[in-house]
Parts: sequence; structure tokens; C-alpha cells
Amino acid sequence: DIQMTQSPSSLSASVGDRVTITCRASQSISTYLNWYQQKPGKGPKLLIFAASSLHSGVPPRISGSGSGTDFTLTISSLQPEDFATYYCQQSYSPPPTFGQGTKLEIK
Amino acid sequence: QVQLQESGPGLVKPSETLSLTCSVSGGSISSYYWSWIRQPAGKGLEWIGRIYTSGSTNYNPSLKSRVIMSIDTSKNQFSLKLNSVTAADTAVYYCARCRGGYTPDNWGQGTLVTVSS
Repeated sequence: DIQMTQSPSSLSASVGDRVTITCRASQSISTYLNWYQQKPGKGPKLLIFAASSLHSGVPPRISGSGSGTDFTLTISSLQPEDFATYYCQQSYSPPPTFGQGTKLEIK
Repeated sequence: QVQLQESGPGLVKPSETLSLTCSVSGGSISSYYWSWIRQPAGKGLEWIGRIYTSGSTNYNPSLKSRVIMSIDTSKNQFSLKLNSVTAADTAVYYCARCRGGYTPDNWGQGTLVTVSS
């Protein structure tokens, strides 16, 4: 299975900050990389698919980039609703696998 | 907007079979892949498997020997059975619609299943 490693595991930031979360794959996955946001007690929501494509309804302050093994999720100006846990996921090779998550907390 | 809702027993005894159903509303179940994904408390996400509307399935090799998925297009539902459960199978179970095969783009709210005697 392809291993997905996210960093950092947790992050404290303030409203208005720019934050970046990194995801690394154990082998090249081209751009078969998705990002999800999960809030407590809820199912994950798709934010970004194919490394950089914004899912319907996701605000443009959220963006993704990368290819091969290294990927980033960037939120340009944090809003109160952005405080959540974020997961990356590879859809290149079955079984699809997820990173361990990055918890974004209010400073 | 398609909505998914998981249902089934919240408590299952060890060695028995976990059975869950996902009901799809607001859209057709046809022409999509549908997945089950689980999340133990405080841990990450694990893909269990997927089923196409034709009934074709793909399972995670780590669970393949214990998993059966099925689909009922007339009821707009699909189901998961996981047999010989242990405490390690305790988790929140999510159903999801998949785009492009392995990209869940619409998730249910999840249902907690506890394995305990």
C-alpha cells in the first residue's frame, strides 16, 4: 500500500493567517491526490481533487498544489469555519490510503 | 444535492457479523462507485471497499476475507457486511459516493459501531 505522511500533525493559527499543510507519498502518485476537511462528529468533505482542482462550493482561499510525491494544501486567509482536521488521500493505486490528519486549531 | 445516511446496529458482539446499510437520496445510485470507509476513535481513515451499480466490487486486501458489499438499485441502497468482528473493528463507519473510482466526493455523517460482548 502507498503510505501518506502529513505534516505537521497539528497546527495553531489565527484568523487571517496563511497556513500550509504538507502531504508526502511513499511513491509517485502523479496528481492523484485529494484533500478533505473534517469537523467533529461529521463526515469528511472533499476540498481538492487531482492535487489542485477545487471541488464545487469550496472557497477560492483554499488551494492545492504538487505532483509526484510532494503536495501542499494552502489556506490563504484563515476563517473561523476553517478550524478542523485535514486529510490527504491518494487515489492512484488501490487500496486508496489517507494521511494521518492535520488538526488546525485556533491560536 | 445527494445525501447519504448510514443505518444499522450500534453494538455487535465479537465473532458476529456487522451489517450496515447506506440509503441514498436526492439522486440516483446508478452509474457511480459507492464506498465504505471507517475511522476508529481518534485515528485516521481506512478504506474498506467499493461497489459499482453493476454489483462489481473491490475490497481492501486487509479486510477482503471478511467483507461482502451489495447494492439494491431499486431501493437506492447499498450495504456492508463484515464478519468475524473483533474489538479492532470498533469505529465510525461512513458510506460515500466516489467520483473517478477512488475519490469519495460525498459522505454520510457516519455511524458508530462498537464491538463488545
